[in-house]
Amino acid sequence: NAGVTQTPKFQVLKTGQSMTLQCAQDMNHNSMYWYRQDPGMGLRLIYYSASEGTTDKGEVPNGYNVSRLNKREFSLRLESAAPSQTSVYFCASTIPASGESGELFFGEGSRLTVL
Amino acid sequence: AQSVTQLGSHVSVSEGALVLLRCNYSSSVPPYLFWYVQYPNQGLQLLLKYTSAATLVKGINGFEAEFKKSETSFHLTKPSAHMSDAAEYFCAVSGGTGFQKLVFGTGTRLLVSP
Repeated sequence: NAGVTQTPKFQVLKTGQSMTLQCAQDMNHNSMYWYRQDPGMGLRLIYYSASEGTTDKGEVPNGYNVSRLNKREFSLRLESAAPSQTSVYFCASTIPASGESGELFFGEGSRLTVL
Repeated sequence: AQSVTQLGSHVSVSEGALVLLRCNYSSSVPPYLFWYVQYPNQGLQLLLKYTSAATLVKGINGFEAEFKKSETSFHLTKPSAHMSDAAEYFCAVSGGTGFQKLVFGTGTRLLVSP
């Protein structure tokens, strides 16, 4: 029962390098999200995908791109990494039931350091 | 638009003492409210949620929260702290039915001493 799986768990990049964070869920959820967590700032939404085939910007989208590859997978790409993108990244998914806001299910996080 | 304010970035209690973590919200529509817990090096998991039914909500691990519309609050309590409760707690709000984005507070780290 994997739930939400993120890879890699740890990554160190140099400024200007690119990388992709992968996320997959096996719960048949419609909606997927990418958050970043920074000390004292809680979780901030980067991008989300309400359903397969759609993506939208969240609160802090600059410097990131996303792809909803299929219903299971939602990737986050840093095209040219900057030290300000040093953070812990969380992928989450949910299936909003009619009349009720759905519970988010989180992966274990990907810790990214940009030097 | 929705927002959440968590009062106190750190709360320290002794084992067996009352736990009270404060959350105030702002919402232009009737809100749905959530408390999540994060243990070290893990993702967040849901403790409890309020979705316009009973105002007193019971969650896992003995936690509960009360929705008070007049005070725009959703404080989290537990009568007796346990060492295993040491974690970071996040309050979150969404705008209700259908697809919604959760807005999280900045978190409160609970420290439990023997």
